[in-house]
Amino acid sequence: QKEVEQNSGPLSVPEGAIASLNCTYSDRGSQSFFWYRQYSGKSPELIMFIYSNGDKEDGRFTAQLNKASQYVSLLIRDSQPSDSATYLCAVNPTGTASKLTFGTGTRLQVTL
Amino acid sequence: DVKVTQSSRYLVKRTGEKVFLECVQDMDHENMFWYRQDPGLGLRLIYFSYDVKMKEKGDIPEGYSVSREKKERFSLILESASTNQTSMYLCASSSPNSLGQFFGPGTRLTVL
Repeated sequence: QKEVEQNSGPLSVPEGAIASLNCTYSDRGSQSFFWYRQYSGKSPELIMFIYSNGDKEDGRFTAQLNKASQYVSLLIRDSQPSDSATYLCAVNPTGTASKLTFGTGTRLQVTL
Repeated sequence: DVKVTQSSRYLVKRTGEKVFLECVQDMDHENMFWYRQDPGLGLRLIYFSYDVKMKEKGDIPEGYSVSREKKERFSLILESASTNQTSMYLCASSSPNSLGQFFGPGTRLTVL
């Protein structure tokens, strides 16, 4: 079982719709969770982090964390073509200080 | 803003050459990381460092070494480059508060 799992996609959503990206993790003791956006040929860019169960909103982005289900998601409201990218979920596993384990990413396509 | 820079965006080397990849961060971060990213395999940790002159192996250290002589600089060394080391190499840094890792622009290395 992979430590951090994401559907590779592509996830295709029309412009203006809500995109929902999902991630599951295996280490129940994980405390910190991150979402990165990576455009083709570019490096990952941190867009959200969440530590507590529930929702965290930042502009059009909402991160949701459910530690009991070992599930973290990213919602993008009013999706724009510029949101088309690969989204990486990253988890800080138990006892690993600042190390992160990354999923392989979900490719999002926002269509006109 | 955190700034992480890498010495080259693109690099072409021959098999057997010694290759140096340099990374510099300007946010006084204690932690620095080297990853490689390959299609379908995601981000894989090569080496990381929590302090000057300190290094720890990541998941795929074979064929690589690192050097951290100053806090802001973390170098990745390929002692004898091989074709299977052709990849995108990404450097990242973070603080002990673990508010995510910040990535440099990446170096796309081709070994012929």
